[in-house]
Amino acid sequence: AQSVTQLDSHVSVSEGTPVLLRCNYSSSYSPSLFWYVQHPNKGLQLLLKYTSAATLVKGINGFEAEFKKSETSFHLTKPSAHMSDAAEYFCVVSVRDQGGKLIFGQGTELSVKP
Amino acid sequence: GAGVSQSPSNKVTEKGKDVELRCDPISGHTALYWYRQSLGQGLEFLIYFQGNSAPDKSGLPSDRFSAERTGGSVSTLTIQRTQQEDSAVYLCASSLIAGMNTGELFFGEGSRLTVL
Repeated sequence: AQSVTQLDSHVSVSEGTPVLLRCNYSSSYSPSLFWYVQHPNKGLQLLLKYTSAATLVKGINGFEAEFKKSETSFHLTKPSAHMSDAAEYFCVVSVRDQGGKLIFGQGTELSVKP
Repeated sequence: GAGVSQSPSNKVTEKGKDVELRCDPISGHTALYWYRQSLGQGLEFLIYFQGNSAPDKSGLPSDRFSAERTGGSVSTLTIQRTQQEDSAVYLCASSLIAGMNTGELFFGEGSRLTVL
C-alpha cells in the first residue's frame, strides 16, 4: 500500500530564512509524488510533482523537492521564505492502477514571521 | 468553466436532515474526485468517477453517503440523515483522464458542511 507521512504538523520560520517541510513515503513500487499547497480559504493547488524523471523537481514560487529513494523521502525546500508562503502544505502519493487516486499526508502548516 | 465550481460554499443543517453538494468540473475533464477534509484529519478520499461510472467507492464512510454523475459532467454528493461527525469541508477535483498518475488534480474551493 502507498502512504505518506509528514513529519511536522507545524513549521515556523522567519521571512528570508530557508524552509524545509519533511515527507517520507511508503510504496511497493516507484511512486509518483506531489506537493500541494492550500492557502487559507482557497482551493488546493499543485506545487510540484515527481514522476520518475529527474530526482530534483522544481515547482512554482521557488519551491523544490528532491526524491531520495534510499531515504524514502521527498522533502520540500525553499531557500528564502516569503510572507505569502504561509499556508498548509500536503505531501501526496498517487495510487497506481486506481484511477490516479491521491493519498494525502496529514499536512504541515507553515507560518512565516516578519 | 474556468475552474472547478462547488456549491453551496457553506451549508449549515440540522442533524438528521439530508444534504446535497454539487460539483461542476472543468469542461472536458473526464475524471472527477470527491474528498473530505476534516479538522485534524487531513484529506480523505471518498469516491472517483471516470465518465459517469464510479470504479472506486471505497472511501465512502457509510451507506448514508452516495454520489452520482450525469452526462459526464456535474456530480452530486448526497449525505442522508446527517450526523455531527459529517461536519467537514467536502472538496471536489477533476482531471483530464483518470489513471494518468500525473497528479494534477484541479480542486474546487470546497463546500463547508456544518451539522448542528
